[in-house]
Amino acid sequence: RKEVEQDPGPFNVPEGATVAFNCTYSNSASQSFFWYRQDCRKEPKLLMSVYSSGNEDGRFTAQLNRASQYISLLIRDSKLSDSATYLCVVISNAGKSTFGDGTTLTVKP
Amino acid sequence: NAGVTQTPKFQVLKTGQSMTLQCAQDMNHNSMYWYRQDPGMGLRLIYYSASEGTTDKGEVPNGYNVSRLNKREFSLRLESAAPSQTSVYFCASMSSGGTDIQYFGAGTRLSVL
Repeated sequence: RKEVEQDPGPFNVPEGATVAFNCTYSNSASQSFFWYRQDCRKEPKLLMSVYSSGNEDGRFTAQLNRASQYISLLIRDSKLSDSATYLCVVISNAGKSTFGDGTTLTVKP
Repeated sequence: NAGVTQTPKFQVLKTGQSMTLQCAQDMNHNSMYWYRQDPGMGLRLIYYSASEGTTDKGEVPNGYNVSRLNKREFSLRLESAAPSQTSVYFCASMSSGGTDIQYFGAGTRLSVL
């Protein structure tokens, strides 16, 4: 079993839709959680940090559930420009970083 | 402020050749990482260095060696390249002080023939 598993996707949604991605992790010693965005196999860029209390940035909301060991990303009112691959990443307390395989989102007009 | 700089951007090798991928960061970060990304997959950790003077294996270390030359630089060496090492390689550094945010270089696209 992979240490970090993401919804396999792909997700194809119309503009304006709400879409949610989930990611589960197996290492209970994990201490930091993030969502990154990657376009066309360019370098990943930070989208959001993820906290137990939830984190909202405009149309994006991220949530951490430590008890169930999963993180989520909600995108509301999808835009064409949201089309990308979304990667969750988990950092252990030893500094080891583990990425999920990514979920591809395509937003269509 | 350059951030994380990787060289080269592209490289073609023949099977059995060796090469070193270079990575440097100017953000005074303690931790640095090397990943590879194959088509349709996420980033897989090859090696990381949590601080200057330390290195640790990641998920896929076989066929690679690393050197944390100083706080700024973290190099990845392929001693005898194989076609299975054809991939995109990303270097990253991670901020200190609890935020754990990684910043990535632009990547090296490596083909081994």
